[in-house]
Amino acid sequence: KAGVTQTPRYLIKTRGQQVTLSCSPISGHRSVSWYQQTPGQGLQFLFEYFSETQRNKGNFPGRFSGRQFSNSRSEMNVSTLELGDSALYLCASSLMGRGGEQYFGPGTRLTVT
Amino acid sequence: DQQVKQNSPSLSVQEGRISILNCDYTNSMFDYFLWYKKYPAEGPTFLISISSIKDKNEDGRFTVFLNKSAKHLSLHIVPSQPGDSAVYFCAASGLGSRLTFGEGTQLTVNP
Repeated sequence: KAGVTQTPRYLIKTRGQQVTLSCSPISGHRSVSWYQQTPGQGLQFLFEYFSETQRNKGNFPGRFSGRQFSNSRSEMNVSTLELGDSALYLCASSLMGRGGEQYFGPGTRLTVT
Repeated sequence: DQQVKQNSPSLSVQEGRISILNCDYTNSMFDYFLWYKKYPAEGPTFLISISSIKDKNEDGRFTVFLNKSAKHLSLHIVPSQPGDSAVYFCAASGLGSRLTFGEGTQLTVNP
């Protein structure tokens, strides 16, 4: 089976712009979660989507949003980018989400200048 | 508050010896625990997991031990190989799917 794919792998944006990141989960997986990794805060949970519905949300401002499509592919959007949004954004997929393994994609490295 | 803690930022071992990575948690609602291996600029790779109903799980060279009363888990790698050198994260989940990660431990296996 193909693994989790994320596009783009690298992105450079300017403060105030918005960005959309894409994630394709492992075939058959219905749960997609997003995480942010920064040197200062480590790996932090953003949100989880299951069957096109947001099922769980972390402590991030409303500028961070996401959605999931009927084929389980997911996108996350960050509006009004700030310098502090520079991070590695990771997507993880799992069969059902709860109590199971989550498999991560390679991530999207976002740099905000 | 840091609900999952890995108190050792780094660990260095000789090839062929055992590597023991430790993790402590504070949230009693956590019932599923996982270990991931990560290289820079890549996503974490799943290694092994354990449910709270067990106290040990083995997969090849990797064994995870869970001590619920102490809220402590450890990952044993035997024998350690140079290719095991990476950052290791422990993670925990409770009722939902959210994974709470520790800070990571950099393992270096010297030839």
